[in-house]
Amino acid sequence: GDSVTQMEGPVTLSEEAFLTINCTYTATGYPSLFWYVQYPGEGLQLLLKATKADDKGSNKGFEATYRKETTSFHLEKGSVQVSDSAVYFCALSDPLYSGGGADGLTFGKGTHLIIQP
Amino acid sequence: EAGVTQFPSHSVIEKGQTVTLRCDPISGHDNLYWYRRVMGKEIKFLLHFVKESKQDESGMPNNRFLAERTGGTYSTLKVQPAELEDSGVYFCASSLQGGGNTEAFFGQGTRLTVV
Repeated sequence: GDSVTQMEGPVTLSEEAFLTINCTYTATGYPSLFWYVQYPGEGLQLLLKATKADDKGSNKGFEATYRKETTSFHLEKGSVQVSDSAVYFCALSDPLYSGGGADGLTFGKGTHLIIQP
Repeated sequence: EAGVTQFPSHSVIEKGQTVTLRCDPISGHDNLYWYRRVMGKEIKFLLHFVKESKQDESGMPNNRFLAERTGGTYSTLKVQPAELEDSGVYFCASSLQGGGNTEAFFGQGTRLTVV
């Protein structure tokens, strides 16, 4: 079935460091790819998405490029801030589904990011 | 505009008891989803409503879980009787349309602890 694998955390960085959180996927069809973020005490929020190969999603200084050849969607940010501390989830939506429902999402385990001042 | 609201935020119950979780989606969102995250593991899809109908309940773990969405507005997820392995965070999400291109808005989740 479909699956998403992302790097285990916690990931601890200093402020202004470069961030990469790796995400790879397995899907039956041609999925859309997402990064969700959960800040402390809040619900999941969509951070960015890409719906086809080579698309780049971007938001709040974060970027991720849909790489079909490597089945990856790595999250990057050039200079992180303390306020970026959160749990980040990579996810996919696969219309030919296996595991997330035809319209549901298949998530990775989440990566806890800690940014120190 | 109010977001997706879930109640309660936390619940601690004993094994064998019943618990009902509630989700109020964003007004006008026909699509409502339930997900669950067990400690340290992935967020797993449970089921999907379109209005009051269950579109897909392939992720429901067993018949101790019952989800309803009477009238196509709010939804409830009942666990009866609860077992230890049901502990986790239950998320609800809603979207205007189905399909991967439509953003799903999530609630804060209900943390369920079964002791």
